[in-house]
Amino acid sequence: GAGVSQSPSNKVTEKGKDVELRCDPISGHTALYWYRQSLGQGLEFLIYFQGNSAPDKSGLPSDRFSAERTGGSVSTLTIQRTQQEDSAVYLCASSFGLYNEQFFGPGTRLTVL
Amino acid sequence: GQQLNQSPQSMFIQEGEDVSMNCTSSSIFNTWLWYKQDPGEGPVLLIALYKAGELTSNGRLTAQFGITRKDSFLNISASIPSDVGIYFCAGLSSGNTPLVFGKGTRLSVIA
Repeated sequence: GAGVSQSPSNKVTEKGKDVELRCDPISGHTALYWYRQSLGQGLEFLIYFQGNSAPDKSGLPSDRFSAERTGGSVSTLTIQRTQQEDSAVYLCASSFGLYNEQFFGPGTRLTVL
Repeated sequence: GQQLNQSPQSMFIQEGEDVSMNCTSSSIFNTWLWYKQDPGEGPVLLIALYKAGELTSNGRLTAQFGITRKDSFLNISASIPSDVGIYFCAGLSSGNTPLVFGKGTRLSVIA
């Protein structure tokens, strides 16, 4: 049974470039979440998807951030025109239903130079 | 919105000592979860609590769901170096929001 996987594990980019981060949830999990974790900090909720419902985007920090989930499985988090303050670890999690325990991927460490 | 107050923020203990950390909230939760995050990894679920008053153990870890449903604690007995990491509490309510996370307790174990 594979867990949540994320790619790339590390991404270094230049300020102003766009980046895409990928998340493969656990098979059969209907809910998928994105979080951001700055160095030594807690988890900052960004967005979640549940089934075919419209995603809850209430945590996205700016309109440079967007996410999509294709076919109810894989999700991509896109950050446009990256800024240095976007540097963080981006964590993805999935759960079987919205109100159940979440299982996390290993994260993508993004560094914006 | 809902918030969880997790304490302490950090702790330094000697190997072999017991550890206790807790989370409180002004809101009621139906489920409490405890996660551990190792450096460079994603959080891993340690214990899940589903009923008020429930006391659950997982090896040297013990967690309780408070009677008021507004708090939970996690105890680690006889700490070892691999217990080092950040411990997060998280709560689920019957509202429209998913998990709410505490800010974490950073545990350091001195051998």
